[in-house]
Amino acid sequence: KNEVEQSPQNLTAQEGEFITINCSYSVGISALHWLQQHPGGGIVSLFMLSSGKKKHGRLIATINIQEKHSSLHITASHPRDSAVYICAVRAYKRSQGNLIFGKGTKLSVKP
Amino acid sequence: GAGVSQSPSNKVTEKGKDVELRCDPISGHTALYWYRQRLGQGLEFLIYFQGNSAPDKSGLPSDRFSAERTGESVSTLTIQRTQQEDSAVYLCASSSRLAGGYSGTDTQYFGPGTRLTVL
Repeated sequence: KNEVEQSPQNLTAQEGEFITINCSYSVGISALHWLQQHPGGGIVSLFMLSSGKKKHGRLIATINIQEKHSSLHITASHPRDSAVYICAVRAYKRSQGNLIFGKGTKLSVKP
Repeated sequence: GAGVSQSPSNKVTEKGKDVELRCDPISGHTALYWYRQRLGQGLEFLIYFQGNSAPDKSGLPSDRFSAERTGESVSTLTIQRTQQEDSAVYLCASSSRLAGGYSGTDTQYFGPGTRLTVL
């Protein structure tokens, strides 16, 4: 079993829909990252969080440390949100860069 | 300002040859990371440099892989005697803050990657 599991693996939505992507992990962590990988391959860091909730524009990330679960929400989705969304965790006592990655959720938003 | 740059963007090599991949981080960024992404797979951590501290090499898959960083600037990832399973996109990222101990991380800025194909 992978240490970081994402669901769903693939997601198709209509423009304007509210989207949720889930990430569960099995190790103790000090931080969790959400990344966005564009169709061309470029990767952008969206959030780093260790507790609670963060919001940036239409994106919201939450984490529940006790349940070892994080969610990424996209409100009023748009075709330009189409990308692969990747969850990554930094396990306790590992260095800052030593991240464990999920396999990603491929999101396609149709106009 | 300029982002993280990597060169070459594409590299095709024959099995058994050595290759060297280069990463130029954002100026002033003390932390530098190497990852790889094999076709259809998730990202894998390779190595992490932070300032003048000893690098975390725990992600390097074999002793054919090595990396160096000159001060707080350029880094090179070298793969010796390449194998077909080394084919992947090699990604470099940098971030601005030198983390003390196991404290939180800063945003990582990713380069465009080097696509390595070993024939």
